[in-house]
Amino acid sequence: QVQLQQSGPGLVKPSQTLSLTCAISGDSVSSKSAAWNWVRQSPSRGLEWLGRTYYRSKWYNDYAVSVKSRITINPDTSKNQFSLQLNSVTPEDTAVYYCASSNLGYWGQGTLVTVSS
Amino acid sequence: DIQMTQSPSSLSASVGDRVTISCQASQDISKYLNWFQQKPGKAPKLLIYDASNLDTGVPSRFSGSGSGTDFTFTISSLQPEDIATYYCQQYLNLPFTFGPGTKVDIK
Repeated sequence: QVQLQQSGPGLVKPSQTLSLTCAISGDSVSSKSAAWNWVRQSPSRGLEWLGRTYYRSKWYNDYAVSVKSRITINPDTSKNQFSLQLNSVTPEDTAVYYCASSNLGYWGQGTLVTVSS
Repeated sequence: DIQMTQSPSSLSASVGDRVTISCQASQDISKYLNWFQQKPGKAPKLLIYDASNLDTGVPSRFSGSGSGTDFTFTISSLQPEDIATYYCQQYLNLPFTFGPGTKVDIK
């Protein structure tokens, strides 16, 4: 059974960088059959897939066009986790952020991130 | 991007009622559709994948059908613990996209 545990701050100032981490248990971030996703949810935008990282003999990333210029998702094989960085945040980035496994079958607990000064 | 729509946006039904939710994709997505249940303050929970396959441990009163652009999610006998918002989501193409949700409550 895969379990995902999120960590990171719940308050970020405008123009700064949002950073979250998702620790994986029950699977490997380097699994050649898995992919590791970030999804966010807000009242205005609903559920929005942001991007993913996966390993297929080398590392790959896919990102949503809406955030492509600002987002980085990185694996950390030493800690079996992956991270989300979203740069230059605005109040419109206020949302609950979730990490999720392949096919969105397993989800982290969610982190409410508020962008405010 | 593939747009997902759902109807109705909300419904109210009695315990034991049959509940049906529709989901439509803006283009053919074959069978590549998930259904999720989300309760307040919780992460979405996968109920059905590949349009009609029940995820492990999900009660058999939940079912899904359809392919192409039109899909249906059914609760055969609504239970009090089924009060939640239900979402469809396509995974044929990136970006994965979700429907706006259907809120189900008890009459």
